[in-house]
Amino acid sequence: DAMVIQNPRYQVTQFGKPVTLSCSQTLNHNVMYWYQQKSSQAPKLLFHYYDKDFNNEADTPDNFQSRRPNTSFCFLDIRSPGLGDAAMYLCATSRDTGSSTDTQYFGPGTRLTVL
Amino acid sequence: AQSVTQLGSHVSVSEGALVLLRCNYSSSVPPYLFWYVQYPNQGLQLLLKYTTGATLVKGINGFEAEFKKSETSFHLTKPSAHMSDAAEYFCAVSGGSNYKLTFGKGTLLTVNP
Repeated sequence: DAMVIQNPRYQVTQFGKPVTLSCSQTLNHNVMYWYQQKSSQAPKLLFHYYDKDFNNEADTPDNFQSRRPNTSFCFLDIRSPGLGDAAMYLCATSRDTGSSTDTQYFGPGTRLTVL
Repeated sequence: AQSVTQLGSHVSVSEGALVLLRCNYSSSVPPYLFWYVQYPNQGLQLLLKYTTGATLVKGINGFEAEFKKSETSFHLTKPSAHMSDAAEYFCAVSGGSNYKLTFGKGTLLTVNP
C-alpha cells in the first residue's frame, strides 16, 4: 500500500542535543509537509517542500531545519532542542499545491521527548 | 484569512447513540473542508472532504458531513457510535489560492459502553 512512513515513532533526546526525524513516502507526491502538534492542540505547519523548493512558515523558529534529498525522503532537524519542543511531529504529503483540493496524507507521527 | 471553530472540545456519547461533532468555518473564498480523525499516538487519517458538488459527503467508517453555506457549517455525524470511534476529530479548511490547511482545535470523542 502507498503510504507515509515516519521513523522513529518515539524519540528521546537531551536538552540541546541535535535530533533528526525521518519521513518517507511511496505516494510519489510532489509536496511534503512537517507539522508540530503539542498536546491537545491542532497541528501547526512548520514548513513544506514543493519538489526541491523549501517554503518556511514565518513563525517557524530557526532551530528547525529540513532537508529533502530526493522525492521520497524528507528530514526534520532540530538543532538544539528545548523542553518546549517536546511534541508530536507529523509528516504529510500531497500530490500538488496547485489545487486546494489536493488532499494531505499524514504519517503516524514521531513523538519527541526532551529530557 | 480562513478559520475553523469546533464547538465542544470534548463530546461524550453512549455506544449506539448519534454522534454529532460541530464545525463552523470562516473563509473569504469558496472553502474546501476536511474532517480528519486522530487515534492516540497516531497521525491524522482523512475521514471525508468537501470540494464542490454534492453538499452531503460520505466518508469512511460510516461518517458523513453536510456543507451548509448559509450556516458556514460542516458538521460531522454518524448515526450509531461504536467504541472504536473514540478518538480526536479535527475539522480543517483550505480554499482559493491557499492550499494550506487551517485546523480547528479538535474535539475529543468519548464513547461510553
